Amino acid sequence: DAKTTQPPSMDCAEGRAANLPCNHSTISGNEYVYWYRQIHSQGPQYIIHGLKNNETNEMASLIITEDRKSSTLILPHATLRDTAVYYCITTGANNLFFGTGTRLTVIP
Amino acid sequence: EAGVVQSPRYKIIEKKQPVAFWCNPISGHNTLYWYLQNLGQGPELLIRYENEEAVDDSQLPKDRFSAERLKGVDSTLKIQPAELGDSAVYLCASSITGAVGETQYFGPGTRLLVL
Repeated sequence: DAKTTQPPSMDCAEGRAANLPCNHSTISGNEYVYWYRQIHSQGPQYIIHGLKNNETNEMASLIITEDRKSSTLILPHATLRDTAVYYCITTGANNLFFGTGTRLTVIP
Repeated sequence: EAGVVQSPRYKIIEKKQPVAFWCNPISGHNTLYWYLQNLGQGPELLIRYENEEAVDDSQLPKDRFSAERLKGVDSTLKIQPAELGDSAVYLCASSITGAVGETQYFGPGTRLLVL
């Protein structure tokens, strides 16, 4: 499975869009890009995933570059409840390999 | 729909004692995962079950850790004897079939402290 690189921490103002980057330059053609988040003292929560195309759901949007070497998770209107650690994961198997993620802090 | 249930939520034991964690996956989910999460790190897979069969236990320290999933539903993870370094959060997750691209649903975890 390809490894991912994420900034260790980011801040975002409440109500603004949060853009979380992820580099996965060694991703293989059959590997998906997943995003999970983990709010303090809870288990990880699925956000979104994609293979090649950009994806959007009720929680977020996922933008994958054309060469698939990087992606961005977008939370369109961040709230205080979005404060969490966000994990970017790439895998072509049914196992998830979490890194250390990005700690997003939404500031009032 | 009920989520993944884990118990206990917290456990404090002395080293060399045994401990067990229980997980009830989402109804109808055939695949069950146990993860270990150390402080400040992301979860790491310990074992994956498809129904009652352990299909990936390569990361499970088999000298002291054991797991079972009788009847392909509930699962128990056991540590015997526990060591100080086992202090961590133990997470259980489930998915419908375990296929690639399928969402995993996590429970709240059991926080273990070994003294």
